[in-house]
Amino acid sequence: DTGVSQNPRHKITKRGQNVTFRCDPISEHNRLYWYRQTLGQGPEFLTYFQNEAQLEKSRLLSDRFSAERPKGSFSTLEIQRTEQGDSAMYLCASSPTGQGWNEQFFGPGTRLTVL
Amino acid sequence: AQSVAQPEDQVNVAEGNPLTVKCTYSVSGNPYLFWYVQYPNRGLQFLLKYITGDNLVKGSYGFEAEFNKSQTSFHLKKPSALVSDSALYFCAVRDNTDSWGKLQFGAGTQVVVTP
Repeated sequence: DTGVSQNPRHKITKRGQNVTFRCDPISEHNRLYWYRQTLGQGPEFLTYFQNEAQLEKSRLLSDRFSAERPKGSFSTLEIQRTEQGDSAMYLCASSPTGQGWNEQFFGPGTRLTVL
Repeated sequence: AQSVAQPEDQVNVAEGNPLTVKCTYSVSGNPYLFWYVQYPNRGLQFLLKYITGDNLVKGSYGFEAEFNKSQTSFHLKKPSALVSDSALYFCAVRDNTDSWGKLQFGAGTQVVVTP
C-alpha cells in the first residue's frame, strides 16, 4: 500500500502521560500536514512541514505539543502531559511540492483517548 | 482569514434520487476548493477540486461540484445517489495567497441514503 500510514491507530492513555504518534507520508511527497479532528467537527490544521522544515504552527499547538520530521520522510507528533481535552483523532496528510492546488492525501488517523 | 460553512448537519435522500451537499466559503484571495469524504474509522478521501476554469468540476464516484463565485458557493452533487454514498462529507478551502497550503474545513455533512 503506497498511501499515507499512521501508527498507532488507537491510543488510550491516562491524563498526564506522554504520547507519540507516527506518520509515514506517500513516498516523495515533500509536504506533510498534521490536523486534529474532534467529534462533530472538521479537521483543524495543527502544523506543516516542507521536507524537514516546520514552516507553520497553529495556535492550537500548545507548548505541550511538538512535531518533528527529522529526515524529511516520516513525522512524529508528541503530546506531553496529556489532558482530557486532547482526546481527538489526529490526522496526517501529505502532498507533493509544486503547484499549490495539489490535493492532500490523508492517512487513517490515530484516535487518542485520554482518561 | 478563511472559513467554510456547511449549513446542513445531515442530508437524507432516497437511493436513486439526486444528492446535493451545500458549501459556502470565505477567503481573502481566490479560493482553491476541495471536497473530501470520510467513511467510519477511515481517513479522508479526496473527491474533487476547483482551481480555475470551468465552474463545473467532475470527480470520483460520479460526483460533481459547481463553483459559483458570486454566491461564494461550491455545492457537491450527484445525479443518482447510492446507499454506499452514505458517509460524512467535508468541504475545504485554501486561500491562494497562503504559501503553505493548509486547508480550512467545514464541520461536515452526514449523508444518509436509504434504499
